[in-house]
Amino acid sequence: DARVTQTPRHKVTEMGQEVTMRCQPILGHNTVFWYRQTMMQGLELLAYFRNRAPLDDSGMPKDRFSAEMPDATLATLKIQPSEPRDSAVYFCASETRDRPNTGELFFGEGSRLTVL
Amino acid sequence: GDSVTQMEGPVTLSEEAFLTINCTYTATGYPSLFWYVQYPGEGLQLLLKATKADDKGSNKGFEATYRKETTSFHLEKGSVQVSDSAVYFCALSDRGATNKLIFGTGTLLAVQP
Repeated sequence: DARVTQTPRHKVTEMGQEVTMRCQPILGHNTVFWYRQTMMQGLELLAYFRNRAPLDDSGMPKDRFSAEMPDATLATLKIQPSEPRDSAVYFCASETRDRPNTGELFFGEGSRLTVL
Repeated sequence: GDSVTQMEGPVTLSEEAFLTINCTYTATGYPSLFWYVQYPGEGLQLLLKATKADDKGSNKGFEATYRKETTSFHLEKGSVQVSDSAVYFCALSDRGATNKLIFGTGTLLAVQP
């Protein structure tokens, strides 16, 4: 059963620490999205990649957030240093290369981050 | 910019009741429209979509019709079940080079036995 895999599922850390979240997209999916979900802001698009190249990261605070795709099977989202306002659920989603630009995304189960 | 507005929840219904969740959109182009569903503790799943005016998307008993004249895409189901309890998100995609999905704030549906 193909699915997007995210790790860790839960992370509690202290302010100032570095946090790295990882995502394995579905095999054959070449577009990867990072979304952040909070009660106040809902779902916000942070960044997305196609064929490992960043296409848009305008939703991401550049001073502390960074996103990369070291290879086609791994996307990472890093926060350094973390702050309490970064507490949220971070979702990774992917889209198949066979049906690009359709909006049909497959989401992972999310990484719930709590920064104390 | 483009945006999606959903009715606020929670929506609480008894089993077998009729469901409507309202969604309206603002877009400069000609977007595709979507409903995604998020069950507790899970990621979002695509429920249905429509790509042009008067198209009706349907899945699992849910339906939504793309109404360009009212810029709406309301979600309906004739008879809800307890298992339909989830958060429902309306979204649009501009279908252009940006390929972005813009989501509404979500509507929590709670179905009671």
